[in-house]
Amino acid sequence: NAGVTQTPKFQVLKTGQSMTLQCAQDMNHEYMSWYRQDPGMGLRLIHYSVGAGITDQGEVPNGYNVSRSTTEDFPLRLLSAAPSQTSVYFCASRDRGYSPLHFGNGTRLTVT
Amino acid sequence: AQTVTQSQPEMSVQEAETVTLSCTYDTSENNYYLFWYKQPPSRQMILVIRQEAYKQQNATENRFSVNFQKAAKSFSLKISDSQLGDTAMYFCAFPYGGSQGNLIFGKGTKLSVKP
Repeated sequence: NAGVTQTPKFQVLKTGQSMTLQCAQDMNHEYMSWYRQDPGMGLRLIHYSVGAGITDQGEVPNGYNVSRSTTEDFPLRLLSAAPSQTSVYFCASRDRGYSPLHFGNGTRLTVT
Repeated sequence: AQTVTQSQPEMSVQEAETVTLSCTYDTSENNYYLFWYKQPPSRQMILVIRQEAYKQQNATENRFSVNFQKAAKSFSLKISDSQLGDTAMYFCAFPYGGSQGNLIFGKGTKLSVKP
C-alpha cells in the first residue's frame, strides 16, 4: 500500500518558471490537501479538495492552482515561481469524519 | 478565529527522562479531535496520537500520552522514557470546520533528546 506519493522530492526553479507538483493517493480518500512548511511557521494550508471536481482555497492560495479530475490525483501548479515560494510542500489525504491526515514525503522547492 | 498555539519553540530532555510539550487551542465547537504529529529529520510527518474531545479519558500510545483538559482548551503531549529517536519537531493539530474541515497546525516544538 503506497499511501500518498509525491513527486519530485527536490526541485530548483528560476523566478518566473512554472511547474507542477504531483500527488497521488491509493486509499480512496475523498479529502486531499496541500500544505507548505516554512521555518517557524508550522504547516499552512494552500488548497484542498473534498472530492473529484471540488477544490477550495486555504490560508495561502496566491500563486498556486489546483485541480481534482480524479479521486486519486491532486496536482499543485505554480504558475510563475517567486523566491517567496521557496518552501517544503506536503500533500495529504484523509478519510471521512475526524480521520487523521496521511502525508506524502514532501517536496523541497527552491526558487532562485 | 480558531487557532492552535505551541508556546515552546524548542525543548531538550535527557535520554530516559520525561518531557511534556504544551498545546492550547481555541474553538467554539463541542465535538472534535486533536492530533499530535512528529516530524523527524527525515521530514516525514508521522501521527503520534489523537484525542477525541467527547472522551474524558486521556489517550495513550506506548510511551506517548496526552493530558487533555477540554475546559481549559489544553492538549499537552507527554513523552516518557525519552529515546534518541524521539528527536524531532512536534506539531499539535486541530480540525476547524467540524469533521469535514481542515487541520490547522501549531508552529511546532523542536525536541532534542540528549544522550
